[in-house]
Amino acid sequence: DGGITQSPKYLFRKEGQNVTLSCEQNLNHDAMYWYRQDPGQGLRLIYYSQIVNDFQKGDIAEGYSVSREKKESFPLTVTSAQKNPTAFYLCASSNTEIQPQHFGDGTRLSIL
Amino acid sequence: GNSVTQMEGPVTLSEEAFLTINCTYTATGYPSLFWYVQYPGEGLQLLLKATKADDKGSNKGFEATYRKETTSFHLEKGSVQVSDSAVYFCALSRSGAGSYQLTFGKGTKLSVIP
Repeated sequence: DGGITQSPKYLFRKEGQNVTLSCEQNLNHDAMYWYRQDPGQGLRLIYYSQIVNDFQKGDIAEGYSVSREKKESFPLTVTSAQKNPTAFYLCASSNTEIQPQHFGDGTRLSIL
Repeated sequence: GNSVTQMEGPVTLSEEAFLTINCTYTATGYPSLFWYVQYPGEGLQLLLKATKADDKGSNKGFEATYRKETTSFHLEKGSVQVSDSAVYFCALSRSGAGSYQLTFGKGTKLSVIP
C-alpha cells in the first residue's frame, strides 16, 4: 500500500544539537510538506516543496532546514537555532491543490 | 490572507447524540474545503472534502456542505459513536495560484461517552 513513512516515532534532542526527521513517500506525489503541531494551535506550515530541488518557507521556518534531492524524500532538520523544538511534527504529500494532502503518523520531538 | 475558524472545544457528547462542529473561512478565490480527523498519537486522515460551492462531502456518516454565501463548512453527524472520539480539523486549499498550501483551523476535540 502506498503511504507516507515518518521516522523515528519519538526523538530526543540535547541542547545545541541538530536532529533530522525523516519523511518518505511512495505515492508518486510531487509536493511534500512539513507541519508543526502544538497543543491548541492546530497545524502550522514549516516548509513545503513542489518539485525536486526546490522548496519554500512556510509560516514558521526559522530554526529549521529541509532538502529535496529525491521526489520520495523530504527530510527536516531541527537546528540548535530552534529554541522551542518540543512538538509533534507531521509530514504530508499531495499532487494538486484539490487532491487532499496525505499525512504520515508523525514524529514527537522532545528536549533532554 | 486565508484563515479558518472552528468552534472551540472540547466537545463532549453521549453516544448516539447529534454532532455539529462549526467551521467558517476567509479566502480569496474559490478554495477547496476539507475535514481531517486525528486519533490520539496519529497523523491526520482525510474525512471528507468539497471542491465547489453547494458540494456536499460525506464519509462514515459525517457530512459537510460548502456554503459560499455564509463561507461555512460545518461538520455534522446524526449519531456519534465512542469510536468517533478524536480531534477534527477544518482546512482550506487555495485554488488557481500554483500554491499547494493548506490552511488549518485550530482543531476541535470531540469526546463521546457511552
